[in-house]
Amino acid sequence: KAGVTQTPRYLIKTRGQQVTLSCSPISGHRSVSWYQQTPGQGLQFLFEYFSETQRNKGNFPGRFSGRQFSNSRSEMNVSTLELGDSALYLCASSLGGRPNTEAFFGQGTRLTVV
Amino acid sequence: GQNIDQPTEMTATEGAIVQINCTYQTSGFNGLFWYQQHAGEAPTFLSYNVLDGLEEKGRFSSFLSRSKGYSYLLLKELQMKDSASYLCAVRDSNYQLIWGAGTKLIIKP
Repeated sequence: KAGVTQTPRYLIKTRGQQVTLSCSPISGHRSVSWYQQTPGQGLQFLFEYFSETQRNKGNFPGRFSGRQFSNSRSEMNVSTLELGDSALYLCASSLGGRPNTEAFFGQGTRLTVV
Repeated sequence: GQNIDQPTEMTATEGAIVQINCTYQTSGFNGLFWYQQHAGEAPTFLSYNVLDGLEEKGRFSSFLSRSKGYSYLLLKELQMKDSASYLCAVRDSNYQLIWGAGTKLIIKP
């Protein structure tokens, strides 16, 4: 079955612009989580959506927002981009609802802000 | 606050055994995961522990002690392809995954 798909893979934006990233989870998965990964910082949790509702949220400013559609696809938006937003953004999907369900990651979107 | 600690980097020799430690302090505990991430690729699932003890899966084993807030990943018969970062993550009481910064494992011939 198809894995987690993230688009686009690479993106270059200018400071002050806004960007939307997309994530299509594995079919049947209802939970989608977003992470920011920078060298040496590990995975920083942004938010998790489950059945179109935001279930958990990390400690990121309000410039970072997301949503999930009825087909479980999710989008993440970052407004007023800053240089420090340059990172790999990873999306992970899981069945959700049970603690032992593993998360499957997409290949990520590498965002560069110049 | 919630915290997960792992060594930043480890070096080992091909064919040897290496143990990567992970200690955690989280709000509740609903299991601990280990993931492998090769450079430029997405993390992939290795193991899940929720009860104390050792879980063995081929060359990889993972151990958990909930009373000590401690886990380790044991890699045997190391191969060059095992060079990667190894991420420890704990699912807390809100079912959120809390991640460590990862351990970069370098395998030398």
